[in-house]
Amino acid sequence: GENVEQHPSTLSVQEGDSAVIKCTYSDSASNYFPWYKQELGKGPQLIIDIRSNVGEKKDQRIAVTLNKTAKHFSLHITETQPEDSAVYFCAASMRAGSYQLTFGKGTKLSVIP
Amino acid sequence: DAEITQSPRHKITETGRQVTLACHQTWNHNNMFWYRQDLGHGLRLIHYSYGVQDTNKGEVSDGYSVSRSNTEDLPLTLESAASSQTSVYFCASRASGDNEQFFGPGTRLTVL
Repeated sequence: GENVEQHPSTLSVQEGDSAVIKCTYSDSASNYFPWYKQELGKGPQLIIDIRSNVGEKKDQRIAVTLNKTAKHFSLHITETQPEDSAVYFCAASMRAGSYQLTFGKGTKLSVIP
Repeated sequence: DAEITQSPRHKITETGRQVTLACHQTWNHNNMFWYRQDLGHGLRLIHYSYGVQDTNKGEVSDGYSVSRSNTEDLPLTLESAASSQTSVYFCASRASGDNEQFFGPGTRLTVL
């Protein structure tokens, strides 16, 4: 089945700096890659996603890039703010057209004021 | 507003007891999922359903069961709770043809 590796497991950045979280996946048939943000005591919430026919997608301070050849994708957060502090999860669809997701193990991001 | 809810939010039980966690969504989504979240493991799929009377096993289904008698609810049952099932459980739903999974607030289960 699909395997998703996520790095780093923890990340600390100064407020205003950029943060990058990287994920790799194993199933070349996967075609959907979402990123979720989980705040303390809450369920994960989708923040951005990308499909395999797109190389990059941006939404204000957040961007995701996808390299299908290398089977990796990354989350970029610019001008970080304290409210960006949370756990971030990447995920990949287990196979093309599937509704099932395989998640990475998460990255705890701390933004230091 | 449409939403997804889980109950109870916290539960403590003893080894060997049967436990049922409730999940209810008001979006009329066909697709529903149960995950467990453990430190160092992220979110792992337990069971999922693509519609009424449909249930499927996920990555970590041993010791768990689900039933889908209507669109709104997917209860998760631990037949005989074990300490290894101490975890935070999340329910999620998704509309057919859409990508986004919407997660509930979670249930923290402790098995003593």
